[in-house]
Amino acid sequence: DVKVTQSSRYLVKRTGEKVFLECVQDMDHENMFWYRQDPGLGLRLIYFSYDVKMKEKGDIPEGYSVSREKKERFSLILESASTNQTSMYLCASSSGTGLGHQPQHFGDGTRLSIL
Amino acid sequence: GQSLEQPSEVTAVEGAIVQINCTYQTSGFYGLSWYQQHDGGAPTFLSYNALDGLEETGRFSSFLSRSDSYGYLLLQELQMKDSASYFCAPLRANNLFFGTGTRLTVIP
Repeated sequence: DVKVTQSSRYLVKRTGEKVFLECVQDMDHENMFWYRQDPGLGLRLIYFSYDVKMKEKGDIPEGYSVSREKKERFSLILESASTNQTSMYLCASSSGTGLGHQPQHFGDGTRLSIL
Repeated sequence: GQSLEQPSEVTAVEGAIVQINCTYQTSGFYGLSWYQQHDGGAPTFLSYNALDGLEETGRFSSFLSRSDSYGYLLLQELQMKDSASYFCAPLRANNLFFGTGTRLTVIP
């Protein structure tokens, strides 16, 4: 079974802090994704990566950056946390390259609160 | 632009059949996925339609009409454990576009 592990289940940070959310997958997947999930807004794609050191902006990249130095690890960075970034953050991974569909496998999420 | 429409909530009786509709508008459409998410849990993949027509997986079926930009998820023989949120997610070039989902409540 694919395992996507997010480093923290709950996290509390202060405004202005630099925040790192870590995600590791154990299935040698090429693609990794970061979403945030908010009530009434569903899942929104922040950034994704289809290869090591590659990254693509999703639908709401503002205020975030990512890092993918190793294939199994994809980090989401909040450069200067703000209260409107309080949310549930979900990481996912999928296999395959190029076009075409492969199911995304999600981690359990990190509930981040910015005070 | 991009948009997705699903009903926000659906309630159905245990043992019954329920259909969750999805209309979408995205650029570069390749197919339609469906995901299930229980409260407090991670989304899990249910099905994917690349071509028009019906795909069946056990009690769940999914349908796609590309010409109508429309799909649906059909759940048969509903069980209490099917109470969850269901997301349709069009596949764009190399990522999915999720909407707000449909919360299904199954009642005895």
